[in-house]
Amino acid sequence: GEDVEQSLFLSVREGDSSVINCTYTDSSSTYLYWYKQEPGAGLQLLTYIFSNMDMKQDQRLTVLLNKKDKHLSLRIADTQTGDSAIYFCAEITGGFKTIFGAGTRLFVKA
Amino acid sequence: DAGVIQSPRHEVTEMGQEVTLRCKPISGHNSLFWYRQTMMRGLELLIYFNNNVPIDDSGMPEDRFSAKMPNASFSTLKIQPSEPRDSAVYFCASSLETRGTEAFFGQGTRLTVV
Repeated sequence: GEDVEQSLFLSVREGDSSVINCTYTDSSSTYLYWYKQEPGAGLQLLTYIFSNMDMKQDQRLTVLLNKKDKHLSLRIADTQTGDSAIYFCAEITGGFKTIFGAGTRLFVKA
Repeated sequence: DAGVIQSPRHEVTEMGQEVTLRCKPISGHNSLFWYRQTMMRGLELLIYFNNNVPIDDSGMPEDRFSAKMPNASFSTLKIQPSEPRDSAVYFCASSLETRGTEAFFGQGTRLTVV
C-alpha cells in the first residue's frame, strides 16, 4: 500500500549538518517533497525533487534520491537554531493524493 | 488569495459534545485534504476530496468522524460524540489535481476534548 516512513526525532548541534531520511513505497511517484512545519503553523513546501533526478541543491539544502531503494534524504548544512522544526517527507501517488510521512522533529542544540 | 482558512483556531469542548471544524480551500483548487496531527502518531490523512467528492476516507478513525464538502469553497469535519483521545491539531490542505502540485495548508484547529 501507500506509505511514507521517517524517524520521529533528530537532534544535532548548531553548525553541524542534519540528515533526515525517508522511505516511500509508490515507485510511480514522479515528485517527492520536503515540507517544513514551524511551531504553531501549518506545513509549507520547503523543496522538491523530480523522480528523474538524483540530487537537488538549494543553498544549504541538499536532497538526495535513490529511486532503486525508494529512499529520500534532506541534508541541511550548517544547521541553525532557526531550523528547529518538523520536517515532512511526501510523495504524490498515482491517484494525485499527497502522502506524508509522520514528520521528523529536528532539535538544534546551541 | 488569503490561503487555506480554517476555523476555529482553537476549540475546547467537553467529552460527548459535537465538534465541527471548518475549512475554506484556496479558490480554484479542486483537491482537499483533512489531516490530524498528534505527538504520538505524527500527521495522519483522514479523508481526501476531489471535485467535492470523497475519494478516500480510509483514514477516518471511526464512525464518530464524518466529513462533507457541499461545494468547492467549503468543507467540514465533524466529530460526534467527541472523546478526549480526539484531542489533536486538525489541518485542512488544498491543491490542484495535477502531478507535482504543492499542497497548501491552513493554520490548523487545535482541538482539546476534556
